[in-house]
Amino acid sequence: KNQVEQSPQSLIILEGKNCTLQCNYTVSPFSNLRWYKQDTGRGPVSLTIMTFSENTKSNGRYTATLDADTKQSSLHITASQLSDSASYICVVGGGYQKVTFGTGTKLQVIP
Amino acid sequence: DTGVSQDPRHKITKRGQNVTFRCDPISEHNRLYWYRQTLGQGPEFLTYFQNEAQLEKSRLLSDRFSAERPKGSFSTLEIQRTEQGDSAMYLCASSLGGPANYGYTFGSGTRLTVV
Repeated sequence: KNQVEQSPQSLIILEGKNCTLQCNYTVSPFSNLRWYKQDTGRGPVSLTIMTFSENTKSNGRYTATLDADTKQSSLHITASQLSDSASYICVVGGGYQKVTFGTGTKLQVIP
Repeated sequence: DTGVSQDPRHKITKRGQNVTFRCDPISEHNRLYWYRQTLGQGPEFLTYFQNEAQLEKSRLLSDRFSAERPKGSFSTLEIQRTEQGDSAMYLCASSLGGPANYGYTFGSGTRLTVV
């Protein structure tokens, strides 16, 4: 069964600090991996997408990594801001255009 | 084009009532998806349309749920005889093609509360 597991479930950090969110998947075959940011009460918005051959992708202060051998991805946030407070969802694309969502990591950045 | 629009943003209804939600996708996108999301969980797939054809329905979509996309543009999701377990965020998303390749553009969702 295709699964996407994210950790931690929730995280509180001080403004200005860095943090790393984890995503482990068992999706096969693998097509690509996306990270979405979901603000409270809003729909998810895509941050990054990586395919099998890519192992890092940046979008401003967000850097995603992918290790297709170990089936792990991480999202690193640098110099966090209050506006980074959101849920971050890892979504893995597989065969036949199927996608599997993780349950998300809820990040709270406090002043 | 202002992205994917959902209406209403919030709906409070009494148990047993029927509710209908609307989604207007990005006009160039021929695929439209409905997802349900409860607190602390990722979105769960409900159904999807390619143009006006409903191509897949999840087993989560009980007989009380029905979705339409009559002209291949906007879509509606109706829940009949609502139950408290239906309380959730209902997300609509559209895509230019297969979601694994093209990703989703999500709307802001409709928050349903059944009391």
